Amino acid sequence: DIVMTQSPDSLAVSLGERATITCKSSESVFYSAISKNYLGWYQQKPGQPPKVLIYWASTRESGVPDRFSGSGSGTDFTLTISSLQAEDVAVYFCQQYYSYPWTFGQGTKVEIK
Amino acid sequence: QVQLQESGPGLLRPSETLSLTCTVSGGSVNSNSYYWNWIRQPPGEGLEWIGGVSYSRTTFYNPSLQSRVTISLDTSTNRFSLKVRSLTAADTAVYYCAREGDFWTGHRHLDHWGQGTLVTVSS
Repeated sequence: DIVMTQSPDSLAVSLGERATITCKSSESVFYSAISKNYLGWYQQKPGQPPKVLIYWASTRESGVPDRFSGSGSGTDFTLTISSLQAEDVAVYFCQQYYSYPWTFGQGTKVEIK
Repeated sequence: QVQLQESGPGLLRPSETLSLTCTVSGGSVNSNSYYWNWIRQPPGEGLEWIGGVSYSRTTFYNPSLQSRVTISLDTSTNRFSLKVRSLTAADTAVYYCAREGDFWTGHRHLDHWGQGTLVTVSS
């Protein structure tokens, strides 16, 4: 199985400041056939299902605010919230869909400082 | 807009079998573009992929659960289902169904999720 490790487990950021979450996979998730990283980022608010924010490591899902961005390739990835808003308080997960079984990071809880 | 909705019992006893159904609206489970998945989340914990099924009824399972799990597709009712046998307290979780995006274009992230249903295993 590909192990996904996120850091930090939690972080507190002031409103309007930048939040950065990293995700490391135990194997490369780069799919050379289409030159894409098979890595997604999800946001989960309390009592709600996860919602995809980013796929292919850096492509924003339709309707996702542009303050969310993803970067990285191979085994190292980053989710950045450029200017934290109150509605961004949530747990964020990365997920690889390169090989079965699909696996998720343990989650990063983002709070307001 | 595709919508998914889980249904099934909320409370089961150890050793029983869990049966959940996911009803899909606004799209067809028979489409050759999408796979259909089950994911679970124990209270206060992270996400675990259980398995999935393709339009052609090919199934994919997490090895950690494979011996106890069956996922199936019912095109006549536009639903897919999950069975988990020999339940223990460790199977207590919110169970989600989710659609995997267009296989042929590589959009294999989980782009639509149900709201989830809490299943508690307790004697």
